[in-house]
Amino acid sequence: KAGVTQTPRYLIKTRGQQVTLSCSPISGHRSVSWYQQTPGQGLQFLFEYFSETQRNKGNFPGRFSGRQFSNSRSEMNVSTLELGDSALYLCASSLRTGRSYEQYFGPGTRLTVT
Amino acid sequence: GENVEQHPSTLSVQEGDSAVIKCTYSDSASNYFPWYKQELGKGPQLIIDIRSNVGEKKDQRIAVTLNKTAKHFSLHITETQPEDSAVYFCAARWTDKLIFGTGTRLQVFP
Repeated sequence: KAGVTQTPRYLIKTRGQQVTLSCSPISGHRSVSWYQQTPGQGLQFLFEYFSETQRNKGNFPGRFSGRQFSNSRSEMNVSTLELGDSALYLCASSLRTGRSYEQYFGPGTRLTVT
Repeated sequence: GENVEQHPSTLSVQEGDSAVIKCTYSDSASNYFPWYKQELGKGPQLIIDIRSNVGEKKDQRIAVTLNKTAKHFSLHITETQPEDSAVYFCAARWTDKLIFGTGTRLQVFP
């Protein structure tokens, strides 16, 4: 079974621009979560989508948004990019939401904001 | 909210020795504790997990123990090999979110 895939793998953007990242979960998985990983803050939860609905949200500004499609694929968008948004953005999928379902991560998208 | 502390931040061991990484959590409502291994340039890989109704779980050279009373859980790797070198993260599931520790860089020297 194919794992979680994320595109693009690398991205360079300029401050003030916006960016869209894509995540395809493991086949049959309906929950997608997004995380930001930086050396200073570690792994931080952004949001979770299940059945096209945002179920949970972390403490990030409204510039960070996401959505999920009917095939469970998910996108996250960051508007008005800031230098501090440079990070590895990770997507994780799980069979369902809640309880203790295992989450499997993709390879991430490395975003650099200049 | 939940806070997960992880120690040590770096750990160097000789090949064949054991390695232990410890995590503590603050909220007794947390009920699921996975461990991830992250190699350079890759996403975190789930290596083992434990649920709050279990005290210990083992998978070949890897084991995890959970002490709910003390709110801490540990990862034990026996007979370490150079390919075990990576950054290891513990996490606690709290209000349907995974809260991660700050990571432990494990280096196994041949």
